[in-house]
Amino acid sequence: GAVVSQHPSRVICKSGTSVKIECRSLDFQATTMFWYRQFPKKSLMLMATSNEGSKATYEQGVEKDKFLINHASLTLSTLTVTSAHPEDSSFYICSATDPANTEAFFGQGTRLTVV
Amino acid sequence: GQQLNQSPQSMFIQEGEDVSMNCTSSSIFNTWLWYKQDPGEGPVLLIALYKAGELTSNGRLTAQFGITRKDSFLNISASIPSDVGIYFCAGQWGNKLVFGAGTILRVKS
Repeated sequence: GAVVSQHPSRVICKSGTSVKIECRSLDFQATTMFWYRQFPKKSLMLMATSNEGSKATYEQGVEKDKFLINHASLTLSTLTVTSAHPEDSSFYICSATDPANTEAFFGQGTRLTVV
Repeated sequence: GQQLNQSPQSMFIQEGEDVSMNCTSSSIFNTWLWYKQDPGEGPVLLIALYKAGELTSNGRLTAQFGITRKDSFLNISASIPSDVGIYFCAGQWGNKLVFGAGTILRVKS
């Protein structure tokens, strides 16, 4: 089946620095990817919809200047957490939909810890 | 906004027992999906339901899409230790997914 690869799987950064997370669709082209945030033992909350070649669409309450999304190609979307703070520590997950069957595939997730 | 109510919140069962969990919504969805998430991993699709009333099986898993398109259940028969994890329902409208809160399943050998 289709595979979505997310990198890195874990990252620790200092407060005030920026962190970039990559999401790649390995064997299909994805015009749309999604970024989610998940707190421990909680559900996935959609942060934004990443659109290839255009601006991302952010959900209500998500700061677009804080969470920069770039979808420069049909197989890669990146999420950059800018000026990270400890409260940004979380599990971030991306997904991409295979246009051949409309099924959404998820990346492995990235555990971000801001110290 | 759209919300999904998933229950139970957690289950601790004996190996070999059957498991049932369900989701309800105040909104109609075109597609219902059931995912399993292992610790530190992304969700993996278990079953997808596309038609109201549809009943679909995948090995020991059975799921149904409610006739009103506002609910779904997932059954796991004869549970085994590797069934442990968090199970999420998700409703799909267009290309967006709305997730339930999850059901934590623990299996006692």
